[in-house]
Amino acid sequence: NAGVTQTPKFRILKIGQSMTLQCAQDMNHNYMYWYRQDPGMGLKLIYYSVGAGITDKGEVPNGYNVSRSTTEDFPLRLELAAPSQTSVYFCASRLGAGGYGYTFGSGTRLTVV
Amino acid sequence: GIQVEQSPPDLILQEGANSTLRCNFSDSVNNLQWFHQNPWGQLINLFYIPSGTKQNGRLSATTVATERYSLLYISSSQTTDSGVYFCAVERNTGTASKLTFGTGTRLQVTL
Repeated sequence: NAGVTQTPKFRILKIGQSMTLQCAQDMNHNYMYWYRQDPGMGLKLIYYSVGAGITDKGEVPNGYNVSRSTTEDFPLRLELAAPSQTSVYFCASRLGAGGYGYTFGSGTRLTVV
Repeated sequence: GIQVEQSPPDLILQEGANSTLRCNFSDSVNNLQWFHQNPWGQLINLFYIPSGTKQNGRLSATTVATERYSLLYISSSQTTDSGVYFCAVERNTGTASKLTFGTGTRLQVTL
């Protein structure tokens, strides 16, 4: 049981480039989340999804897009990368709302230069 | 939104010492989790504990929901316990509810 798998683990982007961070879970969880963690800080929510075909914005959605075509996958798209998007990105999932704990992936460290 | 405060912000211990980390939150919550972020950045789920007490080896946690705080106890600390400990809470507002993180307690365990 792999849990939540994120790829890639590390990436360096140039300003203006685009990329997709991949997240997959094999626990049949309905809810999936993308967080970012800036140095010395806690995590902040970018986007979340409560099921296939349903996504919504979190605290810091600007500069990002998501899609959820299947229960298993929740990719995060960065368009026109900026230095302010240098961060560590975590994907998480849980079975449902209320009473269910979160499982986090191992993170993607992104640097925009 | 809900506020989460953790204390102390930094802690240095000698191997074998015990410690208590505290998490205060500003509103009633339906979910509280403790995470350990190791020096390699991995976020490890320690406890799901919206109320009551749980133990897992040298770690235990207690949440007193009515008084809006949670404690994480680390006994006989080891160097592998080093890292940042996060408390995260959630107030269930239906599908829009989200996990709010504190700023963490950075723990360094020395030989």
